[in-house]
Amino acid sequence: KQEVTQIPAALSVPEGENLVLNCSFTDSAIYNLQWFRQDPGKGLTSLLLIQSSQREQTSGRLNASLDKSSGRSTLYIAASQPGDSATYLCAVGAQGGSEKLVFGKGTKLTVNP
Amino acid sequence: GAGVSQSPRYKVAKRGQDVALRCDPISGHVSLFWYQQALGQGPEFLTYFQNEAQLDKSGLPSDRFFAERPEGSVSTLKIQRTQQEDSAVYLCASSLEEGSQETQYFGPGTRLLVL
Repeated sequence: KQEVTQIPAALSVPEGENLVLNCSFTDSAIYNLQWFRQDPGKGLTSLLLIQSSQREQTSGRLNASLDKSSGRSTLYIAASQPGDSATYLCAVGAQGGSEKLVFGKGTKLTVNP
Repeated sequence: GAGVSQSPRYKVAKRGQDVALRCDPISGHVSLFWYQQALGQGPEFLTYFQNEAQLDKSGLPSDRFFAERPEGSVSTLKIQRTQQEDSAVYLCASSLEEGSQETQYFGPGTRLLVL
């Protein structure tokens, strides 16, 4: 059974700092990996989607990497801003016929002005 | 354009009551997913539709949970005889085509509280 772990559970940083969020998964047989952002009381917003054949994806100040063989992904946020404060969720798309995503519990990020 | 919408946004039910949660996916999206998110946890998969066909319902926690998508667009998640442990946010997501290569777009969720 695929399990996804995110470390740390919570992170507080001053504005302007670069930071890294970590995600690990137990089964390397994945189709893709997605990073989402969730604001309180809101749904999930997709940030980056990395296909299993890719190593990284970039969007603006965000960069996500994928090392499928070691079961790890990182989300790098450059020059953090208070508006980046949210919970960041990592999810893997499993192989084997089902289209479902398996999520970690998330990292709650607070960027202090 | 319009995203995924869900209704109601909030639902308070008495234990034992039946509830129905609605999801309107993005127009033209083939795949539709339901997830359950308990407080402080990540979403957990409940069920998946490709058009009107329910291809995976392995995540439904009991036979009190039932989902349908009769015309391949709007979907309803029904919970019968609700229990306190059913309290959670129920998220709906859709994607354009079948296949795990597609981004899933999520709605705002329905927050269910069972008293």
